[in-house]
Amino acid sequence: KAGVTQTPRYLIKTRGQQVTLSCSPISGHRSVSWYQQTPGQGLQFLFEYFSETQRNKGNFPGRFSGRQFSNSRSEMNVSTLELGDSALYLCASRGLAGGTSSYEQYFGPGTRLTVT
Amino acid sequence: QKEVEQNSGPLSVPEGAIASLNCTYSDRGSQSFFWYRQYSGKSPELIMSIYSNGDKEDGRFTAQLNKASQYVSLLIRDSQPSDSATYLCAVRGNTPLVFGKGTRLSVIA
Repeated sequence: KAGVTQTPRYLIKTRGQQVTLSCSPISGHRSVSWYQQTPGQGLQFLFEYFSETQRNKGNFPGRFSGRQFSNSRSEMNVSTLELGDSALYLCASRGLAGGTSSYEQYFGPGTRLTVT
Repeated sequence: QKEVEQNSGPLSVPEGAIASLNCTYSDRGSQSFFWYRQYSGKSPELIMSIYSNGDKEDGRFTAQLNKASQYVSLLIRDSQPSDSATYLCAVRGNTPLVFGKGTRLSVIA
């Protein structure tokens, strides 16, 4: 079974621009979560989507948004980029099929965003 | 504020030894506990999950959970240089997964 895929893998943007990152979950997985990872803050939760609905949202400004499509693929958007948005953005999926395995979350390779 | 605490390390162990990684969490309602391994420049990889008190073994890895003490640990037996990585503890209750900042493990050949 193919894993979680994320595109692009690397991105360089200028302050003030916007960016859209894409995530395709593991086949059959319907929940997608997004995280930001920085050396200082570690892994921080951005949001979780299930069946095209945002279920949970972390403590990030409104410049960070996301959506999920009917095929479970998800995108996240960051508008008006700031230098502090430079980070590894990780997408993770889980199955929600029931049982304890539905709590297990699997990460994609991430998108490394650099804001200059 | 739900928190997960880990010693940042680095934890250095000789090859063949047992590495012991520890994690404490603040939310007593937490129900699911996970250990992820993250190599430098890579994304986290799920290596263990545990849901009930006690030990769970998988190959060289053993996860231990004590809900009364709000404590989770990961033991790595016969540590290998390839185990050198950052190990992230993650906890879920009725909220999204909360991660610790990780413990850096270095296995010395």
